[in-house]
Amino acid sequence: ETGVTQTPRHLVMGMTNKKSLKCEQHLGHNAMYWYKQSAKKPLELMFVYSLEERVENNSVPSRFSPECPNSSHLFLHLHTLQPEDSALYLCASSQDTGGAYGYTFGSGTRLTVV
Amino acid sequence: EDQVTQSPEALRLQEGESSSLNCSYTVSGLRGLFWYRQDPGKGPEFLFTLYSAGEEKEKERLKATLTKKESFLHITAPKPEDSATYLCAVGSYNAGGTSYGKLTFGQGTILTVHP
Repeated sequence: ETGVTQTPRHLVMGMTNKKSLKCEQHLGHNAMYWYKQSAKKPLELMFVYSLEERVENNSVPSRFSPECPNSSHLFLHLHTLQPEDSALYLCASSQDTGGAYGYTFGSGTRLTVV
Repeated sequence: EDQVTQSPEALRLQEGESSSLNCSYTVSGLRGLFWYRQDPGKGPEFLFTLYSAGEEKEKERLKATLTKKESFLHITAPKPEDSATYLCAVGSYNAGGTSYGKLTFGQGTILTVHP
């Protein structure tokens, strides 16, 4: 399998649930990212991991908790979310830690908080 | 703070009707300007990177150009399969002159090409 794979594709969760989003890249890239995409808004950067070290936490609420156990895997742990957190969550990776060659995105997880 | 503004928000074309999408940006130090295509329910797909003013890149019916303040994505004789949302993003160097891959995206242009 090649590219960036995200699971699950769709997730519906209650505000008291705990769930995790998974991202896996098979490209040998050194950097991985979580972005949030809401309707009619630009992609919002959430977290950046470079060589498995978190280098950016873009003022994201603590109910979102990232984890990067190795350079191929990235998780986003979710707990006590709010309805406004419903969005498409995109994972991406880049070859170099500077991202100069662009990102490869996964297909995203469509999250609905009820 | 880096900013990216895309126009128009939506564009409807007839098949074969050429047009351009605009991406205006402000950035402290441009590392690269990126164009992506996003189909409904999918993640963005990388199209081009432009690094300096005057640079141009082409792919099939698409041509991207770059100036110091904006980029254009020209679509020549579009087909219905070109219908998608087109995203523009910029990467910049931080105050220390380094960067770690952070991109700032515009809100996108929704392109619809009718047969």
